[in-house]
Amino acid sequence: AQSVTQLGSHVSVSEGALVLLRCNYSSSVPPYLFWYVQYPNQGLQLLLKYTSAATLVKGINGFEAEFKKSETSFHLTKPSAHMSDAAEYFCAVWGSREYGNKLVFGAGTILRVKS
Amino acid sequence: EAQVTQNPRYLITVTGKKLTVTCSQNMNHEYMSWYRQDPGLGLRQIYYSMNVEVTDKGDVPEGYKVSRKEKRNFPLILESPSPNQTSLYFCASSRYRGGETQYFGPGTRLLVL
Repeated sequence: AQSVTQLGSHVSVSEGALVLLRCNYSSSVPPYLFWYVQYPNQGLQLLLKYTSAATLVKGINGFEAEFKKSETSFHLTKPSAHMSDAAEYFCAVWGSREYGNKLVFGAGTILRVKS
Repeated sequence: EAQVTQNPRYLITVTGKKLTVTCSQNMNHEYMSWYRQDPGLGLRQIYYSMNVEVTDKGDVPEGYKVSRKEKRNFPLILESPSPNQTSLYFCASSRYRGGETQYFGPGTRLLVL
């Protein structure tokens, strides 16, 4: 079965440090790729979305992600972490037939920001 | 305000007692979906609907039912809940199926005793 892998269920960074959350997908066809964020006791909201227009995608709150076809990766980064970034982040892929025509989520990465 | 609403937000019930979680969207979206979120597993799709009267199974449909009689509503029905259905449930909608952004409701936390 096709899958989305997020390396690290928990990531801890200091305030002001670089945030790097990793996502790899198993597909030979460039799909639609998403990063969603879930703040405590809330639903998911879209951070950014890749649709093949550009490999570097900028999202809300200073986040960006780079699509690398050769590595089948879509890692999420932010240059400087803020306390308000503490949340759970989900990578998701929509890849038509290979993914069963549905959105497939990774297991999530909880980001902790230390002061 | 464009949104997806779910009710109730929290529910404690007992094994076998039928329950319904409602979901409504005001964006005239055609595609709606239910997910359950469990620690370490991410979100898994339960059922989805491509339009009124069109529903289909997702990855984990056992023990659940849905209906789509109106475009805006997509209730999730647990006819005989069991403890393994204790989870956090999300409803989502998007304009169409495919690579569209999905908009999520706030979630319903269910505990089945």
